[in-house]
Amino acid sequence: AQSVTQLGSHVSVSEGALVLLRCNYSSSVPPYLFWYVQYPNQGLQLLLKYTTGATLVKGINGFEAEFKKSETSFHLTKPSAHMSDAAEYFCAVTHSGAGSYQLTFGKGTKLSVIP
Amino acid sequence: EAGVAQSPRYKIIEKRQSVAFWCNPISGHATLYWYQQILGQGPKLLIQFQNNGVVDDSQLPKDRFSAERLKGVDSTLKIQPAKLEDSAVYLCASSSLRGQGGNEQFFGPGTRLTVL
Repeated sequence: AQSVTQLGSHVSVSEGALVLLRCNYSSSVPPYLFWYVQYPNQGLQLLLKYTTGATLVKGINGFEAEFKKSETSFHLTKPSAHMSDAAEYFCAVTHSGAGSYQLTFGKGTKLSVIP
Repeated sequence: EAGVAQSPRYKIIEKRQSVAFWCNPISGHATLYWYQQILGQGPKLLIQFQNNGVVDDSQLPKDRFSAERLKGVDSTLKIQPAKLEDSAVYLCASSSLRGQGGNEQFFGPGTRLTVL
């Protein structure tokens, strides 16, 4: 079984400040990890993903995340927050091998950016 | 490239009524997913199709929910009869077969269902 825990259902940062959204996963096999963003009344959009290889993954809109196997973490960061980053962010996990590759999502973290 | 299309965008029904949602995936995507997203939670997979066959429907409440994907393209998700706890956003997503688990799932805008 696999699961995702996102620490903090709501995070507020000032414009220009560091964004850090935390994600810890549980998986019995090597995971594939994803971060999705959801703007109000829209579907989810992929920010970045980790499958294999380099553990520091860069995504769209200046976001990046680092896969740390020893800590079972995949935290999302951005050096400088913009107002347009205000949205809900979801971490998700799946894994390779036989099966449906279904994504298991965390409960989400709502990011507010204060001007 | 056109994205995943869903309709309707919003639906309000009384409990015990029936409702249907439609999804048109990205052209050429073999895999289609239906998710239920309850307010304050992440999306939960209801059913996954590969072409027109069901891959996983283990979390689909089969006593009231049904889904089909005729001809391996469009899909419909039906609820009959609806309960109050079915109020949620229903998201459709699609992905290509290549790369399997590492593939991006592309999401539609969702249908927001309110059951009164």
